[in-house]
Amino acid sequence: GEDVEQSLFLSVREGDSSVINCTYTDSSSTYLYWYKQEPGAGLQLLTYIFSNMDMKQDQRLTVLLNKKDKHLSLRIADTQTGDSAIYFCAESILRNAGNMLTFGGGTRLMVKP
Amino acid sequence: ETGVTQTPRHLVMGMTNKKSLKCEQHLGHNAMYWYKQSAKKPLELMFVYSLEERVENNSVPSRFSPECPNSSHLFLHLHTLQPEDSALYLCASSHRTGASYEQYFGPGTRLTVT
Repeated sequence: GEDVEQSLFLSVREGDSSVINCTYTDSSSTYLYWYKQEPGAGLQLLTYIFSNMDMKQDQRLTVLLNKKDKHLSLRIADTQTGDSAIYFCAESILRNAGNMLTFGGGTRLMVKP
Repeated sequence: ETGVTQTPRHLVMGMTNKKSLKCEQHLGHNAMYWYKQSAKKPLELMFVYSLEERVENNSVPSRFSPECPNSSHLFLHLHTLQPEDSALYLCASSHRTGASYEQYFGPGTRLTVT
């Protein structure tokens, strides 16, 4: 099946690191993504990683990919209250129209001051 | 602002009504998408248009009817909906279809079916 799974909720203190985890199913996924959704808004692409990479760093964000275990994680360093949002992991699945995104259910990150 | 706008932002409709959701992108993209986001399910891809041609219809009931008159506009026509169709409907666009092309999302239309 095409299931992308994430834990529902994560709570951290301001200044700590946050780690959001995701497992996916399709070993042929070429790209894996992290999107952020703030209240009342659509999804915003945070970062993505190509499947032949193990790690990608972009300022406070670090993405780790374990292809063998089909596990993806997003680490946010020095988490701020403005990082409170829902974070979605997505994998690309080949469909008739080309590679399409399949999303996980989202992890709600709450950052406490 | 992502360059993708959706109207209306909120819509309440009865099961016998007919309404339409509108999406407009100002990014010069050639692909547009409708997604459904409900409380109980992950984000679901509904339809994909590439160069105004529908290229993906993800087993969506016929009470949802998409229309893409040009590459900048996308509509979702709604008729005889059910209460379980209440959700956030998100529009997105990208330069082309394909995993390497970033999708830009609109803010969504919050639909409530009574």
